[in-house]
Amino acid sequence: KQEVTQIPAALSVPEGENLVLNCSFTDSAIYNLQWFRQDPGKGLTSLLLIQSSQREQTSGRLNASLDKSSGRSTLYIAASQPGDSATYLCAVGGGADGLTFGKGTHLIIQP
Amino acid sequence: GAVVSQHPSRVICKSGTSVKIECRSLDFQATTMFWYRQFPKQSLMLMATSNEGSKATYEQGVEKDKFLINHASLTLSTLTVTSAHPEDSSFYICSATLKGSPSGEQYFGPGTRLTVT
Repeated sequence: KQEVTQIPAALSVPEGENLVLNCSFTDSAIYNLQWFRQDPGKGLTSLLLIQSSQREQTSGRLNASLDKSSGRSTLYIAASQPGDSATYLCAVGGGADGLTFGKGTHLIIQP
Repeated sequence: GAVVSQHPSRVICKSGTSVKIECRSLDFQATTMFWYRQFPKQSLMLMATSNEGSKATYEQGVEKDKFLINHASLTLSTLTVTSAHPEDSSFYICSATLKGSPSGEQYFGPGTRLTVT
C-alpha cells in the first residue's frame, strides 16, 4: 500500500526566504506526482504536476523535482511571500488510479 | 479549461437522512471520477473510483451501501450519503481525469462540506 510522508509537518519563516518542502513515497510505480495548496476551509489548488518520466517542473517561483527511483520529491518556493501561507499537499498516483495524499506541510510566512 | 464543479458547496442535514452531492466536469469529458473525503485537520483519503457506466470501485473500509455512487454520463457523477450520521460529517471532494489525457492529471472540484446534526 502506497504511503506518502511530508516533512516538515509545519514551517514558519520570515518573508523573502527560499524554502524547501519534502515529500517521500514508498511505491515508485506511480503515474504522476502532484503538488497542491489548500487554504483553510477551502478546496485544492493544483500547483505542479510531474509525470513519472519527468524530473522537474517549474511555475513562477515554484519548482518541483521528482526522483522516482528513490521515492522523493521536493517543492522549492523562492522569495516567499505572506500569500504563500497555506497547507501544501503532495499526492502520488494518477492515471486510472486515485491519488494518495500526504498529510501536508502547514506553511506560515511571517510578514 | 478543465473545470470541475460540485453542488452543493455546503449542506447541513439531520441524522438518518440522505444527502446527494453532484460532481460535474464543465468543459471536458471525464474518463474517470474520484471521490475523496477529508476529516478536520487530516489529509484527503480516496473513497472510490467511478467510471461512466460502470460500478464504482470502493477503497477498503468504505461502505458501498452507505456511499452510493452513480456515474451516469461522462460529465456527471453523484455521491449519495445514505442514512447519514454525525461521524459522516466531513469535506467531500471529487476529481476528474480528462478523457485521452496523457498526463493523467486530476482536476478537483471545490468540495462539499457536509454537517450531520
